[in-house]
Amino acid sequence: ETGVTQTPRHLVMGMTNKKSLKCEQHLGHNAMYWYKQSAKKPLELMFVYSLEERVENNSVPSRFSPECPNSSHLFLHLHTLQPEDSALYLCASSPQTLNTGELFFGEGSRLTVL
Amino acid sequence: GENVEQHPSTLSVQEGDSAVIKCTYSDSASNYFPWYKQELGKRPQLIIDIRSNVGEKKDQRIAVTLNKTAKHFSLHITETQPEDSAVYFCAAPYSGGYNKLIFGAGTRLAVHP
Repeated sequence: ETGVTQTPRHLVMGMTNKKSLKCEQHLGHNAMYWYKQSAKKPLELMFVYSLEERVENNSVPSRFSPECPNSSHLFLHLHTLQPEDSALYLCASSPQTLNTGELFFGEGSRLTVL
Repeated sequence: GENVEQHPSTLSVQEGDSAVIKCTYSDSASNYFPWYKQELGKRPQLIIDIRSNVGEKKDQRIAVTLNKTAKHFSLHITETQPEDSAVYFCAAPYSGGYNKLIFGAGTRLAVHP
């Protein structure tokens, strides 16, 4: 499979659960991102990784914990979430971070927090 | 920091008509302005972008114009077709050297046959 793939596509969890979202890119890109997409709100940048190093944490609550073990994989670990965290979480990659360019998005993981 | 406003939030047109979506940004240092299209249940995909050294760029039925003085840019779709129905997002970069984008709130375009 090519491009950016995200699993799971749908996730329902309680507020005390621990779960993880996974993203994998097969494009040879150096940068990966997590975005949050809520209804009627703009896409919100959460985290940016460049060559496996976190370069941006956009004031995201600590109940969201990213992990980037290598340039092809990105995780978002979820713990003690709130119902308002229910949203579509989009992973993206780009060839590099130091110049503006195209973001390649995954299909997203739709999260529902009960 | 950068702030991007997008209008309208919804747009309904008849097939064959033109559609225009407008965005304004706040950071005068911004130099790259992409537009993404997100069909229902699908991922956002880049459809066109423009850099600050040009005022207009066209790709078949879509075009983007940029007015740096007024700090606004627009997406123009001509001869709209039902498959153009989607949510369109404009974006502009944060300052700071990394490929970080601030997105507008999106415009839901409906093209009626």
